[in-house]
Amino acid sequence: KNEVEQSPQNLTAQEGEFITINCSYSVGISALHWLQQHPGGGIVSLFMLSSGKKKHGRLIATINIQEKHSSLHITASHPRDSAVYICAARTGGSRLTFGEGTQLTVNP
Amino acid sequence: DTEVTQTPKHLVMGMTNKKSLKCEQHMGHRAMYWYKQKAKKPPELMFVYSYEKLSINESVPSRFSPECPNSSLLNLHLHALQPEDSALYLCASSRDGSGQETQYFGPGTRLLVL
Repeated sequence: KNEVEQSPQNLTAQEGEFITINCSYSVGISALHWLQQHPGGGIVSLFMLSSGKKKHGRLIATINIQEKHSSLHITASHPRDSAVYICAARTGGSRLTFGEGTQLTVNP
Repeated sequence: DTEVTQTPKHLVMGMTNKKSLKCEQHMGHRAMYWYKQKAKKPPELMFVYSYEKLSINESVPSRFSPECPNSSLLNLHLHALQPEDSALYLCASSRDGSGQETQYFGPGTRLLVL
């Protein structure tokens, strides 16, 4: 069992739909990161969370420390949101433990 | 400037070649990272430098040799690679690697070993 698990692995949505990607972790963490990777390869850091909720534009990230669970929500999804979304747990110092990623495809 | 740059973007090399990957950041970050990413898999940590000193080596084969000549530059020297080393190599940096901080990733170098 991976220390960081994401679901779903693949997600297809229609433009405008509300999207949720889930991340569960089984280890103690100091922070949880959500990353976005486009097909070209570059990774963009979307959020870093240690508690509560953060919002940036149409993206919202939440974390429940007691339940060891985080969610990434995308409101009013758009085809340009199509990417791989990765959650990563900071488990000690500078080390990140990555989930397997969720491939999101948003169709027009 | 929140950019991490990597060169080259693409690299094809034979198993007997020696090549180097370069990573640069000018954000004043003191922690820099090399990751290897295979297709449809998450990044795997290879090395971490903190204040120009190697702090983490994730049991990477010696055919990969990292170097941090100064706080802005990180190199990965490649020698006698195998075809299974073909992957996307990502560089990242963060403030100092000590706590809750964002890692900034470069665009990666896509490496093909023939």
